[in-house]
Amino acid sequence: DSGVTQTPKHLITATGQRVTLRCSPRSGDLSVYWYQQSLDQGLQFLIQYYNGEERAKGNILERFSAQQFPDLHSELNLSSLELGDSALYFCASSVGGPINEQFFGPGTRLTVL
Amino acid sequence: AQTVTQSQPEMSVQEAETVTLSCTYDTSESNYYLFWYKQPPSRQMILVIRQEAYKQQNATENRFSVNFQKAAKSFSLKISDSQLGDTAMYFCAFIVRGNKLTFGTGTQLKVEL
Repeated sequence: DSGVTQTPKHLITATGQRVTLRCSPRSGDLSVYWYQQSLDQGLQFLIQYYNGEERAKGNILERFSAQQFPDLHSELNLSSLELGDSALYFCASSVGGPINEQFFGPGTRLTVL
Repeated sequence: AQTVTQSQPEMSVQEAETVTLSCTYDTSESNYYLFWYKQPPSRQMILVIRQEAYKQQNATENRFSVNFQKAAKSFSLKISDSQLGDTAMYFCAFIVRGNKLTFGTGTQLKVEL
């Protein structure tokens, strides 16, 4: 158990819908990262927050947005869902610093029908 | 651009034998950190081992060790005394300046009786 929690574990929805994925980092970790794992794109970095502020952005679609709240939990919002958004979404957290060892949550499996 | 290449999509090894997974990477940075992550069928991402680029000594964690060749930008993972529980997808990854992890495409390792 990495100490990072993600809810829900599984999500099945229809095209055009909007969903919210939630992540709680390890106690003491200020950084939260979101990654997408799909069959065709592999593991891709989406976005990073550090202590409530957006720190880095990767290949995140404009239909996707995220935020980190004062209690440091984070939410990833996916809207106007398409079939291609079906993937495993991971949240990771780290204490920060140069080494930045990241600990991953169990992931949320999103299926768009 | 920063890239990670894992040229072996699949490998198999007999239980108790030794196997080496290859990884090469490309970055213009001189200071970075390298990781191997394991993803078993449960899909959880588990950190196996890490290596700081400024350290010449190869990292070791129990049965797992790396062969880090900085000049060649090579970072292979050796698993000794392979066990059935080592069956998983293995991802090579690196971090520059404490930001996102850049992952390779993974090597599916199967440990056989």
